[in-house]
Amino acid sequence: DTGVSQNPRHKITKRGQNVTFRCDPISEHNRLYWYRQTLGQGPEFLTYFQNEAQLEKSRLLSDRFSAERPKGSFSTLEIQRTEQGDSAMYLCASSPTSGANVLTFGAGSRLTVL
Amino acid sequence: AQSVTQPDIHITVSEGASLELRCNYSYGATPYLFWYVQSPGQGLQLLLKYFSGDTLVQGIKGFEAEFKRSQSSFNLRKPSVHWSDAAEYFCAVGITDSWGKLQFGAGTQVVVTP
Repeated sequence: DTGVSQNPRHKITKRGQNVTFRCDPISEHNRLYWYRQTLGQGPEFLTYFQNEAQLEKSRLLSDRFSAERPKGSFSTLEIQRTEQGDSAMYLCASSPTSGANVLTFGAGSRLTVL
Repeated sequence: AQSVTQPDIHITVSEGASLELRCNYSYGATPYLFWYVQSPGQGLQLLLKYFSGDTLVQGIKGFEAEFKRSQSSFNLRKPSVHWSDAAEYFCAVGITDSWGKLQFGAGTQVVVTP
């Protein structure tokens, strides 16, 4: 069990550029979540997958954001035409479908939009 | 709508002293309740959780929390704080039919002085 892995850990980009973050969950976990954390705030739910199906999306996830989990393993979160307000820590978490019902979080990917 | 309130943004405590972090939630039923800790550059680590049963729950690193239904509270305590407990602490609520979709409080930053 290597935990939840997120890459890149840090990304600095210019406004208007596209960025993509990757999350590799714990291998036996079926559920995968994306959260966003801005400075001084707690994480906010963005979306989650069960296997490859995206089951829920927050209203925070504007049409510039897209998340995929094509084979039910790793997931990507893409932000198109980034804005300064997108600067945040993007956290990924995974959990089994049953059992402990506990989210294991990755260390996050910090995005800075200049 | 459900909400989570952590009234204390910042707490300073001496090493060896006791610590209590407050958390109040607003929700129509008994939710799942969690405390997470986040150290700089690290992901969120689960300290403890409450789903049902005994209202006093024990967690890792010597932490405990007590669920009080009448006060809609889930306060976190530690009898004797260590310097390594300096971190940000988040209370979170999960609704019972979508527990992985957590709502977090804004966090309490804990500073430990010698």
